[in-house]
Amino acid sequence: AQSVSQHNHHVILSEAASLELGCNYSYGGTVNLFWYVQYPGQHLQLLLKYFSGDPLVKGIKGFEAEFIKSKFSFNLRKPSVQWSDTAEYFCAVRVRDDKIIFGKGTRLHILP
Amino acid sequence: DGGITQSPKYLFRKEGQNVTLSCEQNLNHDAMYWYRQDPGQGLRLIYYSQIVNDFQKGDIAEGYSVSREKKESFPLTVTSAQKNPTAFYLCASEDRGNEAFFGQGTRLTVV
Repeated sequence: AQSVSQHNHHVILSEAASLELGCNYSYGGTVNLFWYVQYPGQHLQLLLKYFSGDPLVKGIKGFEAEFIKSKFSFNLRKPSVQWSDTAEYFCAVRVRDDKIIFGKGTRLHILP
Repeated sequence: DGGITQSPKYLFRKEGQNVTLSCEQNLNHDAMYWYRQDPGQGLRLIYYSQIVNDFQKGDIAEGYSVSREKKESFPLTVTSAQKNPTAFYLCASEDRGNEAFFGQGTRLTVV
């Protein structure tokens, strides 16, 4: 069965620190990859997505992610985090035209 | 204003009762999803529908039922057979092959 693994369940950083959240998936074929964010009290929204082409994708609010096919990974990065980045982050995968599967999420807490 | 509307925002149910959560979208999307969100568990797929009058079970479908009679609507019924129904329920829709858009969620509490 397809699965998505997010390695960090809870991350605490100080403002201006660099961020990298890991995501691995377990399917060897064509995939669509997503990172979603859920700010406190708000609905899930898309940060960025990868369907094809340049494996380095840029999203909103200075986030980017790199698709490494050989490692089945799609890690999320931000060079300098802000207090407003405190949220829960979800990696998701769709295999071919099937359903979208989510990881367990990473809670990010930024210290001011 | 296009979007996904889930209602109600908060729902209380007595043990042994069925309850139906509403999800409506006016984005003209073909696919719709129901997920359950629990702390530390992420989003787990309950049911999904890629087209009207068709739906498939997700990973945790036991104790739930759905219907997809109209493109805009995908209601979820939490039945008395669901052993632990207290959770946050999220509905999403997707334009085939694109990303999913989410509603604000319904928090269900069994009392």
